[in-house]
Amino acid sequence: DSGVTQTPKHLITATGQRVTLRCSPRSGDLSVYWYQQSLDQGLQFLIQYYNGEERAKGNILERFSAQQFPDLHSELNLSSLELGDSALYFCASSPRGSPESYEQYFGPGTRLTVT
Amino acid sequence: DQQVKQNSPSLSVQEGRISILNCDYTNSMFDYFLWYKKYPAEGPTFLISISSIKDKNEDGRFTVFLNKSAKHLSLHIVPSQPGDSAVYFCAASDQGGSEKLVFGKGTKLTVNP
Repeated sequence: DSGVTQTPKHLITATGQRVTLRCSPRSGDLSVYWYQQSLDQGLQFLIQYYNGEERAKGNILERFSAQQFPDLHSELNLSSLELGDSALYFCASSPRGSPESYEQYFGPGTRLTVT
Repeated sequence: DQQVKQNSPSLSVQEGRISILNCDYTNSMFDYFLWYKKYPAEGPTFLISISSIKDKNEDGRFTVFLNKSAKHLSLHIVPSQPGDSAVYFCAASDQGGSEKLVFGKGTKLTVNP
């Protein structure tokens, strides 16, 4: 158990809909990262938040957005869903405080199926 | 363009023998490298990492070697155990820039009893 929690575990929805994925980082970790794993792709970085502020963006679609709240949990919002958005979405957290703290710890993921 | 490549989609070894998983990268700005293990229906689990200032890091049965001039790293598992059967991902980051991890597509390791 990495200490990172994600809800829900599974999500099935229709095209055009909007969903929210939730992540709680490990206790004390200030950084939260979101990754997408599609069937034919590896893990792709979407976005990072650090202590409530957006820190880095990857290939995140404009239809997707995220935020990190004062209690450090994060939400990833996916809107106008398309079939191609079906994937595993992982959240990771890291302490970010020393050179020895670059490891990211992953949650169990949310499997999104768009029908 | 794939910056981190794991060219072997799968590897099969006998229990007790050495497993060697390989990874190549193209971005010379990468300065921190990590290996993750992933079981089905679970998130990636951090295994071991190495900074670009080192060429070897060891943790129990797991050793990571880094050859910066060749832009190549490898993970050695000795001795291999059936419980090691999983998909192994190599990841790299540029800690001086973005902290994001860039992942390879993974190598599925099967350790046969």
